[in-house]
Amino acid sequence: DSGVTQTPKHLITATGQRVTLRCSPRSGDLSVYWYQQSLDQGLQFLIQYYNGEERAKGNILERFSAQQFPDLHSELNLSSLELGDSALYFCASSVASGRALKPQNEQFFGPGTRLTVL
Amino acid sequence: LAKTTQPISMDSYEGQEVNITCSHNNIATNDYITWYQQFPSQGPRFIIQGYKTKVTNEVASLFIPADRKSSTLSLPRVSLSDTAVYYCLVERDDKIIFGKGTRLHILP
Repeated sequence: DSGVTQTPKHLITATGQRVTLRCSPRSGDLSVYWYQQSLDQGLQFLIQYYNGEERAKGNILERFSAQQFPDLHSELNLSSLELGDSALYFCASSVASGRALKPQNEQFFGPGTRLTVL
Repeated sequence: LAKTTQPISMDSYEGQEVNITCSHNNIATNDYITWYQQFPSQGPRFIIQGYKTKVTNEVASLFIPADRKSSTLSLPRVSLSDTAVYYCLVERDDKIIFGKGTRLHILP
């Protein structure tokens, strides 16, 4: 158990809909990262927040948005869903900010949310 | 931009030592090399991180030559439970690039 929690575990919805995925980081971690993992694309970094502010952006679509709240939990919003958005969405947390792969900035991953768009 | 290249898949047998090599020709001076392990339907898990020469922990060793253009993850005496995908990471402009990883399959 990494200490990172994600809800829901599974989500099934239809094209065109909007969903919200939630992540609670480990106690004490200020950074939250979101990743998308689909079969053909591997693990794709989407976005990072540190203490409520956006810190780094990856391959996140304009239809997707995220935020980190004062209690440090984070939400990933996916709108106008398409079939290709079906994937596992992981959240990770770490202690530090800045360049994520510096020493001691190990990321702890949650169990993921499996999104199926029909 | 630092990009990593690793074998798509590898097979080995229980009890063997497994070495997975990752190429990162454009690694920057301040970049560290990090390896993660991922089991099916689970989030990746940190294995080891290093900057140069050799790093060892209770799970694995990481060998990095002087030019740092590659690194080798060494798993001693693997077991069936080491079957997983292994990712080599080098930071790129503050973004984390996982790539497709190496699918390691351990045979009995």
